[in-house]
Amino acid sequence: DIVMTQSPDSLAMSLGERATINCKSSQSVLHSSNNKNYLAWYQQKPGQPPKLLIYWASTRESGVPDRFSGSGSGTDFTLTISSLQAEDVAVYYCQHYYTTPQSFGQGTKLEIK
Amino acid sequence: EVQLVQSGAEVKKPGESLKISCKGSGYSFPSYWIGWVRQMPGKGLEWMGIIYPGDSDTRYSPSFQGQVTISVDKSINTAYLQWSSLKASDTAMYYCARHRDFGELNWFDPWGQGTLVTVSS
Repeated sequence: DIVMTQSPDSLAMSLGERATINCKSSQSVLHSSNNKNYLAWYQQKPGQPPKLLIYWASTRESGVPDRFSGSGSGTDFTLTISSLQAEDVAVYYCQHYYTTPQSFGQGTKLEIK
Repeated sequence: EVQLVQSGAEVKKPGESLKISCKGSGYSFPSYWIGWVRQMPGKGLEWMGIIYPGDSDTRYSPSFQGQVTISVDKSINTAYLQWSSLKASDTAMYYCARHRDFGELNWFDPWGQGTLVTVSS
């Protein structure tokens, strides 16, 4: 089974700063048949279900602010928030969907400094 | 609008059985895989398994195989998560979520609102 590991576990940044969250998979999630990375990112705010931000590692979901971007390939991925806003305080999760069982990273809690 | 509506919060005793539900609307229910995700208090998301309503093909995480049963009744557009004998460690929020696109290998969107299960003597 593929294990997803995020870093850091928590992050405190100032408003307007750039925030970077990393996600590493224990094996590649790049599918050779279509050259796509089977990796998604979600945002979860307290008391709410997760919300999809990014799929195929770098495709931003419709309606998600363009300050959110995803990058990476193979086993190493990054979620970047270019200019942190107060409403971005949340826990962020990566998820692979390369095989079943799928799995999530342990989460990264993002706070305002 | 594609929507998943889950059943309400449950309070149960250890050893009791439970079946929670997730009703889909606004789309062709048989055509998209639906999954279940556990979130224990203050913890992260855990992928439990998925089911294809069209033929009830089911996949489980090894961590949950034999511990829960995922099923579906496509005649009423509803997926289920079931326990035969609850433990205190089953206390958690449980989310259902649909695959965005066709196929077994896909991301989750949308999500249900969650069902809180509390198991306590």
